Amino acid sequence: GAGVSQSPRYKVAKRGQDVALRCDPISGHVSLFWYQQALGQGPEFLTYFQNEAQLDKSGLPSDRFFAERPEGSVSTLKIQRTQQEDSAVYLCASSFDRQSYEQYFGPGTRLTVT
Amino acid sequence: LAKTTQPISMDSYEGQEVNITCSHNNIATNDYITWYQQFPSQGPRFIIQGYKTKVTNEVASLFIPADRKSSTLSLPRVSLSDTAVYYCLVGDAGYTGGGNKLTFGTGTQLKVEL
Repeated sequence: GAGVSQSPRYKVAKRGQDVALRCDPISGHVSLFWYQQALGQGPEFLTYFQNEAQLDKSGLPSDRFFAERPEGSVSTLKIQRTQQEDSAVYLCASSFDRQSYEQYFGPGTRLTVT
Repeated sequence: LAKTTQPISMDSYEGQEVNITCSHNNIATNDYITWYQQFPSQGPRFIIQGYKTKVTNEVASLFIPADRKSSTLSLPRVSLSDTAVYYCLVGDAGYTGGGNKLTFGTGTQLKVEL
């Protein structure tokens, strides 16, 4: 079966541009997470959805970051007015239920802001 | 969430058993111990999870002593393809925020050579 997919895999943006990163979770997975991974570091939590509800956005670094999952499946992470410090790999993960620590990660989107 | 400490890097040779130890002195009663593996340009992959004593699956074994202040991930007979970063995570399965967001450290870079 298909795993978690993310698109685009690579994105180069000029500083100040808006970007949108897409995540297609595994079908039927209730929970969806976004993480940010800087070079040489472990992933850091950004936000969490249970179905279409965004229950935790405590990790979003600024109000330039916005995430949505309107129909409880596909999710989009949007970054407005990108800055160089936003350069990182953005990982999406899904899990079958809210209690599980077994999360399935996508390959990530590498964002480079020039 | 309990903080974890693990070696930054380890080297091994093909065919050897590798043991990666993680310290989590402040682990709470409800906390589970979970290990993830990450290859370059990929998202992390769940390896194993445990609460106490020993857990074994087709990939690895996880040893947890009675005081649960540490845990050891054991990889039998490693191959070159086991070269990756290994993350130890500790968290409460009953997280009330609505989902089990994962807190990664910097992990252990395992390098396997011929």
